Amino acid sequence: QSVLTQPPSVSAAPGQKVTISCSGSSSNIGNNYVSWYQQFPGTAPKLLIYDNNERPSGVPDRFSGSKSGPSATLGITGLQTGDEADYYCGTWDTSLSAWVFGGGTKLTVL
Amino acid sequence: QEQLVESGGGLVKPGGSLRLSCGASGFSFSDHYMSWIRQAPGKGLEWISWISSSSSHTKYADSVKGRFTISRDNAKNLLYLQMNSLRAEDTAVYYCAAERGRFLNPWGQGTLVTVSS
Repeated sequence: QSVLTQPPSVSAAPGQKVTISCSGSSSNIGNNYVSWYQQFPGTAPKLLIYDNNERPSGVPDRFSGSKSGPSATLGITGLQTGDEADYYCGTWDTSLSAWVFGGGTKLTVL
Repeated sequence: QEQLVESGGGLVKPGGSLRLSCGASGFSFSDHYMSWIRQAPGKGLEWISWISSSSSHTKYADSVKGRFTISRDNAKNLLYLQMNSLRAEDTAVYYCAAERGRFLNPWGQGTLVTVSS
């Protein structure tokens, strides 16, 4: 049981837009920055979004992040088949003094 | 570029021990807190431990507390995870990651630990 809640899967057609939600509480998302990680099968997670809505160098601006209260959202526009991956939200939990993650969302580009 | 490389994984019997290592390069290792995160087959990410930059503070997830020990050698740019009393449910890919205060980056490529008789 993950501390943060994500939908297990989302899907959309190429070129379309999709959003992935991440729900937490005041001890984690509500008072800390959210990051998002992209993971392809058999590879390590890679930082996709940090500080709620910032993109590391090299990440296309098709990827965006937002946060409101205890929830965060990852948005992906102009979907490509190469975006098919698992996406995880993560943040610091002040009460636990630990990093917490969502259960992950599998993106399928139909 | 910033890089982390794990090693030390393998097959171990229940009740056995294993020590994982994580080598850092391309960034100032001694300035950063470090974490170990694991991923069981087909499952999500589970944070299991962090250590402060000077080793003065550590923290463990309840699932590994009392069995695993995190440590580091800043002179060698190495992070360790000593795993004792291993159980089948510890089977996972183990990743090390550098803490940037508000996010984890970079991550290593992972090392697979399989606990089976």
